[in-house]
Amino acid sequence: EDQVTQSPEALRLQEGESSSLNCSYTVSGLRGLFWYRQDPGKGPEFLFTLYSAGEEKEKERLKATLTKKESFLHITAPKPEDSATYLCAVRDYKLSFGAGTTVTVRA
Amino acid sequence: NAGVTQTPKFQVLKTGQSMTLQCAQDMNHEYMSWYRQDPGMGLRLIHYSVGAGITDQGEVPNGYNVSRSTTEDFPLRLLSAAPSQTSVYFCASSPPRGTGELFFGEGSRLTVL
Repeated sequence: EDQVTQSPEALRLQEGESSSLNCSYTVSGLRGLFWYRQDPGKGPEFLFTLYSAGEEKEKERLKATLTKKESFLHITAPKPEDSATYLCAVRDYKLSFGAGTTVTVRA
Repeated sequence: NAGVTQTPKFQVLKTGQSMTLQCAQDMNHEYMSWYRQDPGMGLRLIHYSVGAGITDQGEVPNGYNVSRSTTEDFPLRLLSAAPSQTSVYFCASSPPRGTGELFFGEGSRLTVL
C-alpha cells in the first residue's frame, strides 16, 4: 500500500511558467513531511520540513504548503536551474519516500 | 567538511560475487542509513544504525549486511550479488534518529550481470 504518491511523474515547463507539484499521503500520524531536490547522478538534497496543516516554507522560487492529506511544492517563475527531480517523504513511525516528480524547465 | 562520502561510484558484478559499498561521514552524526533507488519507486530503506555498535533492518534487508564499528563509517555488504540488486545505492546520515532531514551521499551505481 503506497503511503506517498507524487504527481505528475514528469513536468515540462517554459522558463517563467509557474506550476505546482503534488504529494499526497495516507499516514495517520504525520510526524513530518519533507521535500528534497535530486539532480541527475547526485544524492537528494534536503529542502523543507513541514509539520502541521497550514504551514508554509519558502526558498527562492520554491514554496511548500501542507494540508491534512497532501502537500504542494509551488515553483514560481522557474528558471532552467530549477530542473531536477523533487522528492517528497513523510514520517510516521518510519520515513517513506515518494517516487518523485521530474521537472524540466526550458529556456 | 566532505559530508557523506560513498565509494565506489560505479561497480559491475557478476551474479554470486560479493562486495562492500563504503560510506563515511564527517559530521559526527549518530544516525546512518542505506537506501536503494529504482526507477519509478521511492527510496527504500535497506538497513540503518542509530549509533556505533547498533544496526537494524529496514524495508528491504535481504541479501545485505551492515556493521557500525565507528560513528563515521557504515559499510554495506552484498553477500552474493543477484541481478535484482542492480540499483543505485545511497547512504544518508542525520544527527538524531527519527528526523527526515537526511544528508545523502552522491550514490553508488551497481550493476549485477
